[in-house]
Amino acid sequence: DAKTTQPTSMDCAEGRAANLPCNHSTISGNEYVYWYRQIHSQGPQYIIHGLKNNETNEMASLIITEDRKSSTLILPHATLRDTAVYYCIVRGYNTDKLIFGTGTRLQVFP
Amino acid sequence: EPEVTQTPSHQVTQMGQEVILRCVPISNHLYFYWYRQILGQKVEFLVSFYNNEISEKSEIFDDQFSVERPDGSNFTLKIRSTKLEDSAMYFCASSEGLSPTEAFFGQGTRLTVV
Repeated sequence: DAKTTQPTSMDCAEGRAANLPCNHSTISGNEYVYWYRQIHSQGPQYIIHGLKNNETNEMASLIITEDRKSSTLILPHATLRDTAVYYCIVRGYNTDKLIFGTGTRLQVFP
Repeated sequence: EPEVTQTPSHQVTQMGQEVILRCVPISNHLYFYWYRQILGQKVEFLVSFYNNEISEKSEIFDDQFSVERPDGSNFTLKIRSTKLEDSAMYFCASSEGLSPTEAFFGQGTRLTVV
């Protein structure tokens, strides 16, 4: 699975959009981009995933660049409860395990 | 909403003792996983399980570890003779299928070996 690079930490004001970037320049054609988050020491929580098209669900939007070498997770209106570590993971088609990196620690402040 | 449940939430055991961590995956899911997270470190894959057998395991998952699906609902992780370095959060996860389906995680069991 391709390696990902994320900033170590980010801040965001409550109510503003949080844009979390991820680089995955070695991604191959059949690899998906997944985002999970971990609030404190709880279990990782699935957020969203995509292949090449932009995706949106009730939690977030995922924007994948046309060359698929990077992506951005957007939390449109961040709340204090969105404070967490966010993991960008590249996962091959028809594979099972997830390989977690160190993620981005997002701090939402009032 | 269906969820993965894990018991106990916290287990304290003496070094050398056997522990069994329990998980109830989401009912229609076919793939099951164990991950662990040592305090302050990354979430690490341990093992995946499908069709009543291990489909993949990491180098962490040595002979001290075993997994079992003893009935139609439970999925267990056994550590035969615990070591201090086994102290960690252990997360169970399940998924309907392989990627691109998503995996859902339980809230974890904190194992403390003393």
